[in-house]
Amino acid sequence: DILMTQTPLSMSVTPGQPASISCKSSQSLLQSDGKTHLYWYVQKPGQSPQLLISEVSNRFSGVPDRFSGSGSGTDFTLEISRVEAEDVGIYYCMHTMQLPYTFGQGTKLDIK
Amino acid sequence: QVQLQQSGPGLVKPSQTLSLTCTISGDTISSNSGGCNWIRQSPSRGLEWLGRAFYRSQWHIHYAESVKSRITINPDTSKNQVSLQLNSVIPEDTAVYYCAWGINWFDPWGQGTLVTVSS
Repeated sequence: DILMTQTPLSMSVTPGQPASISCKSSQSLLQSDGKTHLYWYVQKPGQSPQLLISEVSNRFSGVPDRFSGSGSGTDFTLEISRVEAEDVGIYYCMHTMQLPYTFGQGTKLDIK
Repeated sequence: QVQLQQSGPGLVKPSQTLSLTCTISGDTISSNSGGCNWIRQSPSRGLEWLGRAFYRSQWHIHYAESVKSRITINPDTSKNQVSLQLNSVIPEDTAVYYCAWGINWFDPWGQGTLVTVSS
């Protein structure tokens, strides 16, 4: 199974400040089709996870442009340029490179 | 717009069978673009993908090795539902269970069902 490792596991951010979450996979997520199957989800308090970013860097419909994803191979980053109060939640990376799909441990973001 | 509605009991006795249903609206489960996944979440295991069913000229059903001997995912095209059965449950199967739509990414997710395994 591919191991997904996120850091940090928690962070407290002042509104308006940036935030960055790292996700490392135990093997490359680059598929033979040229796509990299790395996704970011956020689980807001009391809600189901929801898709933020697909294929490393594509913001999903309705996701604010303060969210961005980057990376390649085994190292990926989710950045929030200016954190807002509504960004509180747990952020997960996930791969769909091969079965079984696996998730990172999650990074809990709260507001200072 | 696809929506998922989960149903099923929230309490299951040890050694019995956990059964949940995911009803899909806004798409058909036998479309050649969708797919239904089952995922669970617990404090000890985090988010764990359990399996999926999707149709591409025929049904394809896959399971995680960790539950392969105990799990059945069954699509029901007449009701546009996908069910999850997990046999011989133990307390460690206590979790919030989600269905989620998609193949390479999951959107949307069902509302989640907390299933507690306890006598």
